[in-house]
Amino acid sequence: GAVVSQHPSRVICKSGTSVKIECRSLDFQATTMFWYRQFPKQSLMLMATSNEGSKATYEQGVEKDKFLINHASLTLSTLTVTSAHPEDSSFYICSAFPRTDTQYFGPGTRLTVL
Amino acid sequence: RKEVEQDPGPFNVPEGATVAFNCTYSNSASQSFFWYRQDCRKEPKLLMSVYSSGNEDGRFTAQLNRASQYISLLIRDSKLSDSATYLCAVRAGGTSYGKLTFGQGTILTVHP
Repeated sequence: GAVVSQHPSRVICKSGTSVKIECRSLDFQATTMFWYRQFPKQSLMLMATSNEGSKATYEQGVEKDKFLINHASLTLSTLTVTSAHPEDSSFYICSAFPRTDTQYFGPGTRLTVL
Repeated sequence: RKEVEQDPGPFNVPEGATVAFNCTYSNSASQSFFWYRQDCRKEPKLLMSVYSSGNEDGRFTAQLNRASQYISLLIRDSKLSDSATYLCAVRAGGTSYGKLTFGQGTILTVHP
């Protein structure tokens, strides 16, 4: 079946550094990808919609200059957390949507900012 | 009011029990409905889609009530392996096609 990968699966960084997370669709082309964030004991919250070849659409309250999204190809979207702070520590999950009724989620990236 | 609300749980049930979860949604334009299962520190995995006529997959039965704007999930003959967080998700149509809104999740623990 369809597979979505994320890299890295876990990252620990110092406050103030930038972290890039990659989301790849492995056996299908994804014109749209979504980035979610999940804090402990909370649900997944959509951060942004990533569209291949165009600007991402951010949800209300999500800073586009802090969470940079690039969807340069039909199989890769990247999320860069710039100048990360401890409050950015979370579980980041992408999903790819190949224009079928089913979304496929990546395995997630656990970010810890010290 | 949250767009999607779930029973907060947690539910602690013995093996073999039947357990039901409910989820309400506020956007009447919602077109697709899903139940996901999420294990600790993992990504959510699709358990089943929810269709207007209701649908069943083995021990799992999902129902949709558009008039009252809620969906439900029934698990029969609970197994230890059913212990997880269950998330309902709703997708609207139009320009937000594809975007899922999740409920906060219900934690289920099945004990021996």
